[in-house]
Amino acid sequence: QKEVEQDPGPLSVPEGAIVSLNCTYSNSAFQYFMWYRQYSRKGPELLMYTYSSGNKEDGRFTAQVDKSSKYISLFIRDSQPSDSATYLCAMSYGGATNKLIFGTGTLLAVQP
Amino acid sequence: GAVVSQHPSRVICKSGTSVKIECRSLDFQATTMFWYRQFPKQSLMLMATSNEGSKATYEQGVEKDKFLINHASLTLSTLTVTSAHPEDSSFYICSAPASTSRNTIYFGEGSWLTVV
Repeated sequence: QKEVEQDPGPLSVPEGAIVSLNCTYSNSAFQYFMWYRQYSRKGPELLMYTYSSGNKEDGRFTAQVDKSSKYISLFIRDSQPSDSATYLCAMSYGGATNKLIFGTGTLLAVQP
Repeated sequence: GAVVSQHPSRVICKSGTSVKIECRSLDFQATTMFWYRQFPKQSLMLMATSNEGSKATYEQGVEKDKFLINHASLTLSTLTVTSAHPEDSSFYICSAPASTSRNTIYFGEGSWLTVV
């Protein structure tokens, strides 16, 4: 079993839709949870970083962590074609600057 | 602009030769850098942790004699793929934690290696 599981997609939605991206993990020792966006052939860009269970909002993005279920989510409201990219969840034992364990990434396509 | 710079962005080399990839932190010092590898349609897999002034720490299954890492200064780490083979063709990405924020980590733009 992989430490971090993520549906690879692809996920195709119409512009303006709410997108839900999810990851599950097996190791309860993970303490920090991140979402990265990666455009094709580019390095990943940090979108959201959370530490505790609950929700964290930043503009159109909301990150949700449920440690009891070992489940994290990223919601994108009012999705735009420019949001089309691969979204990677990542987790760390000892802080966001420690080595990261990534999910496989979900390819999202927002259709205009 | 980019705060972590990688060079080259693309490289094609012949099988059996060695290739060096550089990772530089711009305007900040990085005592630690991380090297990842990403195969097509797969996630980033940590290869090794590069430590300034000391030996790199390799993840299980990564050949340290094949992937040589040197972190000779606080702003530069290099990854050398020795005796490259076609199966080494991949996207190599480095990252560095920001010195001013423990919760921020910057990734380079990545280097595409194709071994023919």
